[in-house]
Amino acid sequence: DQQVKQNSPSLSVQEGRISILNCDYTNSMFDYFLWYKKYPAEGPTFLISISSIKDKNEDGRFTVFLNKSAKHLSLHIVPSQPGDSAVYFCAAYTDKLIFGTGTRLQVFP
Amino acid sequence: ETGVTQSPTHLIKTRGQQVTLRCSSQSGHNTVSWYQQALGQGPQFIFQYYREEENGRGNFPPRFSGLQFPNYSSELNVNALELDDSALYLCASSQPPWTEAFFGQGTRLTVV
Repeated sequence: DQQVKQNSPSLSVQEGRISILNCDYTNSMFDYFLWYKKYPAEGPTFLISISSIKDKNEDGRFTVFLNKSAKHLSLHIVPSQPGDSAVYFCAAYTDKLIFGTGTRLQVFP
Repeated sequence: ETGVTQSPTHLIKTRGQQVTLRCSSQSGHNTVSWYQQALGQGPQFIFQYYREEENGRGNFPPRFSGLQFPNYSSELNVNALELDDSALYLCASSQPPWTEAFFGQGTRLTVV
């Protein structure tokens, strides 16, 4: 069973607009979450994380929101840039990283 | 500071053969984790090595085995290869508390 779910396999956004990537999890014991970005032929690159004691964490253009009651987190990218086009993975950390299936973001001019 | 490097980048093997993949961890990191990423899926945890000992394992059969060396580099060995073993194998290095891992570029294994 998939403990971390990314239900949107792809997302297309115009440059300058907001990109919102969503992630749901099933285990209420998860208390640390990360977002990774992956370009083709490269390994995943850490983007931003959030602990369950927070409901928001910002780093430049990237903000992650956590809704523990809904077991839902989202990554906001504002403004979106063409270089943001990649596959984004949500992950929960327990004693290992548990990844979602990824969302492919395409930012077009 | 050197990043995580994996070798080889691509590999083609025949069903039933054995394969060894290698990973050099990032400078200062004493933990290496291995992940398998099948097409269209997220990475799946195989196992983790901390100070040369396996300290966590995912739902993979015993024909997946590993080693970590005193310099913290690591190997992933897969015996009796099956077609479903075709995937991208990712190595990640970290250090306690292990909440953030740094990935290599991966090894693309194709089993024919």
